Amino acid sequence: EAQVTQNPRYLITVTGKKLTVTCSQNMNHEYMSWYRQDPGLGLRQIYYSMNVEVTDKGDVPEGYKVSRKEKRNFPLILESPSPNQTSLYFCASSLRGYRGDQPQHFGDGTRLSIL
Amino acid sequence: DQQVKQNSPSLSVQEGRISILNCDYTNSMFDYFLWYKKYPAEGPTFLISISSIKDKNEDGRFTVFLNKSAKHLSLHIVPSQPGDSAVYFCAASDDSGNTPLVFGKGTRLSVIA
Repeated sequence: EAQVTQNPRYLITVTGKKLTVTCSQNMNHEYMSWYRQDPGLGLRQIYYSMNVEVTDKGDVPEGYKVSRKEKRNFPLILESPSPNQTSLYFCASSLRGYRGDQPQHFGDGTRLSIL
Repeated sequence: DQQVKQNSPSLSVQEGRISILNCDYTNSMFDYFLWYKKYPAEGPTFLISISSIKDKNEDGRFTVFLNKSAKHLSLHIVPSQPGDSAVYFCAASDDSGNTPLVFGKGTRLSVIA
């Protein structure tokens, strides 16, 4: 089954404790992205990657890191989480781009709470 | 500056009637427009898209209309069903495919039985 898998689905942690949210896709997609969803703000892109070893900042990259060492994986790293990073996070992938004929596939989300 | 705007945070519609969700954009470089649907505890799923060379695209009960001169698009759901209750996001991209999607803030649709 074609899917984007995120782990963990839920995490409660404390300020400053490094954490990683994993994302894996099994569709051989080139493009992968991370978004956060906050009430009243919709989906905002954090980082994206057009291919292995190619990453770029989205709209809200501060406080986050990513890596793309393999095509299928795109982990999101919070080196020193803070309460303002409490949010619902989504990973997404698409075959080659962001056009309407190549829609993104989203994971089911990771709800992070930073105390 | 918000490039994709969904000005209605919520919409309630009776089952069987038409739901119309609206989206406005400001960037004339956008060439593709997409609608995503999101249920609670799930990721968004692609619903329907339209290229700027068209003014209408239909898929079953879902139709998207594009008015380029007004920089406006709308999603029509006819007839609306309770299972359509979800948050709908409008998104846009340019023709290159390399510029990330820009999403609106979403409209929560409630279809009342």
